[in-house]
Amino acid sequence: DAKTTQPPSMDCAEGRAANLPCNHSTISGNEYVYWYRQIHSQGPQYIIHGLKNNETNEMASLIITEDRKSSTLILPHATLRDTAVYYCIVRKGTSYGKLTFGQGTILTVHP
Amino acid sequence: EPEVTQTPSHQVTQMGQEVILRCVPISNHLYFYWYRQILGQKVEFLVSFYNNEISEKSEIFDDQFSVERPDGSNFTLKIRSTKLEDSAMYFCASSDPGVYTEAFFGQGTRLTVV
Repeated sequence: DAKTTQPPSMDCAEGRAANLPCNHSTISGNEYVYWYRQIHSQGPQYIIHGLKNNETNEMASLIITEDRKSSTLILPHATLRDTAVYYCIVRKGTSYGKLTFGQGTILTVHP
Repeated sequence: EPEVTQTPSHQVTQMGQEVILRCVPISNHLYFYWYRQILGQKVEFLVSFYNNEISEKSEIFDDQFSVERPDGSNFTLKIRSTKLEDSAMYFCASSDPGVYTEAFFGQGTRLTVV
């Protein structure tokens, strides 16, 4: 699986958009970009995933660059409950492929 | 909303004892996983399981570990002879049979080996 690079920490004001970057310059053609988050020591929570097109769901938007070497997770209106560790993961294109977690980005949302 | 359920939430065991961690995956899912997270460290993949056999396992998943789907609903992780370094959060996950589908995680079992 391709490696990912994320900033170790970011801050965001409550109500503002949180934009979390991820670099995955060695991604291959059949690898998807997944985002998960972990609040405290709870189980990782799936957020969104995509291949090359931008994706949006009720939680977030995912913007993938045209060359697919980087992506940005956008939480449009961050709340205090969005404070968590966010993981960007590149995963092989099989339905049973393991997830390889890095250190992620600690997002702190301030009042 | 369907969820992955893990029991117990916290287990304390003596070194050398056997422990079984239990998981009930989401009902129509066919792929099952165990991950662990030592305090302050990354979430690490242990094993994936499909069609009653291991699909992939990591170096951590040695002979002390085993997995089983004893019936149609449960998925278990057994550690035969626990060591102090097995103390960690253990997360079960499951995913459905489609391609590129997401895995859903349980809330974890905190295992403390004393």
